[in-house]
Amino acid sequence: AQTVTQSQPEMSVQEAETVTLSCTYDTSESDYYLFWYKQPPSRQMILVIRQEAYKQQNATENRFSVNFQKAAKSFSLKISDSQLGDAAMYFCAYRTSGTYKYIFGTGTRLKVLA
Amino acid sequence: NAGVTQTPKFQVLKTGQSMTLQCAQDMNHEYMSWYRQDPGMGLRLIHYSVGAGITDQGEVPNGYNVSRSTTEDFPLRLLSAAPSQTSVYFCASSYHGAGMGGELFFGEGSRLTVL
Repeated sequence: AQTVTQSQPEMSVQEAETVTLSCTYDTSESDYYLFWYKQPPSRQMILVIRQEAYKQQNATENRFSVNFQKAAKSFSLKISDSQLGDAAMYFCAYRTSGTYKYIFGTGTRLKVLA
Repeated sequence: NAGVTQTPKFQVLKTGQSMTLQCAQDMNHEYMSWYRQDPGMGLRLIHYSVGAGITDQGEVPNGYNVSRSTTEDFPLRLLSAAPSQTSVYFCASSYHGAGMGGELFFGEGSRLTVL
């Protein structure tokens, strides 16, 4: 069975600095999707970034980028130029291609210090 | 475009009471699901549906019922509420057509407290 592990329950970063949130997963599949979701205090779950496993190029969305290491089964999220609005819980999620089953990690709470 | 709409946002129940959490989406997504979020445990799948008339159990289905009579609606029923069902509940939907990443679209969540 697939699993997703986020080993950092909480992280802190100074405003304008860079922070990396880690995520590892376990699967025997070769085709899958990986996601990072942000949950601010409003509770709304917001998609931050998505990575298709067949793509070697790391996904980027403005200040957010991933380091996708397929062989190591690692999918870390880098936030550059951190802003106060980035403070949130961040969840890593996995889905095998062709299935509807999504698996979430336990989340990392990010604090941004002014 | 409303996206995924969940009601109610907050609810307090007494042990043994029943209630229904409503979920509706207007994006014509075939996949709909219910998750519960508990501290330190991430999101756990309760039930899901891949189309009208089709439902299946997720990781933590006990104590919950679902049905899917239309593409748009996917209500979650608590048959006899227990304190262990105190949680935040999320409805989410997605579309898995060709070229689509199938990311989940979430409702705003419903905080349920069972006394």
